Amino acid sequence: ETGVTQSPTHLIKTRGQQVTLRCSSQSGHNTVSWYQQALGQGPQFIFQYYREEENGRGNFPPRFSGLQFPNYSSELNVNALELDDSALYLCASSLKGSGANVLTFGAGSRLTVL
Amino acid sequence: AQSVTQLDSHVSVSEGTPVLLRCNYSSSYSPSLFWYVQHPNKGLQLLLKYTSAATLVKGINGFEAEFKKSETSFHLTKPSAHMSDAAEYFCVVSDLGFGNEKLTFGTGTRLTIIP
Repeated sequence: ETGVTQSPTHLIKTRGQQVTLRCSSQSGHNTVSWYQQALGQGPQFIFQYYREEENGRGNFPPRFSGLQFPNYSSELNVNALELDDSALYLCASSLKGSGANVLTFGAGSRLTVL
Repeated sequence: AQSVTQLDSHVSVSEGTPVLLRCNYSSSYSPSLFWYVQHPNKGLQLLLKYTSAATLVKGINGFEAEFKKSETSFHLTKPSAHMSDAAEYFCVVSDLGFGNEKLTFGTGTRLTIIP
């Protein structure tokens, strides 16, 4: 059973640029969630994707967008990067309907915006 | 709205002594509660979960937590700390009423183990 893999692990961007982060979900999972973890903080929910559609969104502006593909992998896109977007971005997969709300997290993509 | 409050940002204990990490929650529905651990440069790992079954929940690596509805608490304990327990710990609440399995994390407690 493979876990959740994310790429890239680290990247540096400048203000105003755009970034795409990628996530492969755990085998057998059909739902992907994205979280932002700023330095010294707990992760915050960005959004969740199920059946290739957004299924819930946290308090993040529209320049944060995502995709889920038929193989349940996912992308997080952030446009017009701001300094405050510097954070660890975590992807988590789960099986909707399992009732347990148990998410499997990847190790994250650390984004630095200069 | 759901939320969790972790009462200590840092906890230091000596190796072999008990660990107590405190968490209070707020939830409009019957909550699911979790503890996750985060080691440096590693993903979040689930320690244990409470989903309205037994109020005393046993997890991995000797950790356990007790759900106390009257106190809205879900404190994490371990009888004897090991050096490998040094990490960041997050108390987490989830309301299935949201329908999207959204997790709300606390701000974390950094556990330091003194040799």
